[in-house]
Amino acid sequence: AQSVTQPDIHITVSEGASLELRCNYSYGATPYLFWYVQSPGQGLQLLLKYFSGDTLVQGIKGFEAEFKRSQSSFNLRKPSVHWSDAAEYFCAVGVGGGYNKLIFGAGTRLAVHP
Amino acid sequence: NAGVTQTPKFQVLKTGQSMTLQCAQDMNHNSMYWYRQDPGMGLRLIYYSASEGTTDKGEVPNGYNVSRLNKREFSLRLESAAPSQTSVYFCASSEAPLDRRVWPQHFGDGTRLSIL
Repeated sequence: AQSVTQPDIHITVSEGASLELRCNYSYGATPYLFWYVQSPGQGLQLLLKYFSGDTLVQGIKGFEAEFKRSQSSFNLRKPSVHWSDAAEYFCAVGVGGGYNKLIFGAGTRLAVHP
Repeated sequence: NAGVTQTPKFQVLKTGQSMTLQCAQDMNHNSMYWYRQDPGMGLRLIYYSASEGTTDKGEVPNGYNVSRLNKREFSLRLESAAPSQTSVYFCASSEAPLDRRVWPQHFGDGTRLSIL
């Protein structure tokens, strides 16, 4: 069965520090992978997606993610975190074949210290 | 702004009451979804509608019903609310499925539902 694991429930970083949020997936075929961000009281906003091709994908707000098939991972990174990046981040794997469903991880809550 | 609109934003119900959550999208998307979000569990799919006129169960459908009213609107109904249905509910929409391709989903701002 498809699944997504985000090993870190909470992460705290200092403003200006680099960030890496981990995501591991389980899926039998070539995956479609997504990262979403949720600010308090808001819906989910798409940060970036991986469909195929270049394994390093760029997203909005200065985020990037790298797809590593050998490790079944799709980690999210940002070189320098801003206070406004404090939010909850969700990794998701897409199930196709006519369904277009997303399987979400439990999320990682990011706190940013000034 | 274009997107997915959910109403209401907040609601408190008593156990046993019924309620319908409304969702509308103006992106001309074919597929629509209802999720619930609970602490530490991410988002779980309740029901989805791949296209107008079709609906299918997701991961946690018990206690819910849905109606795809037209291409724009997809409602979620709680017939007899239970405290276990206290949650934040999100509606989403996407392009229609195409072979194996998976399209991103676009989310509304959620409905915060408390059942006493």
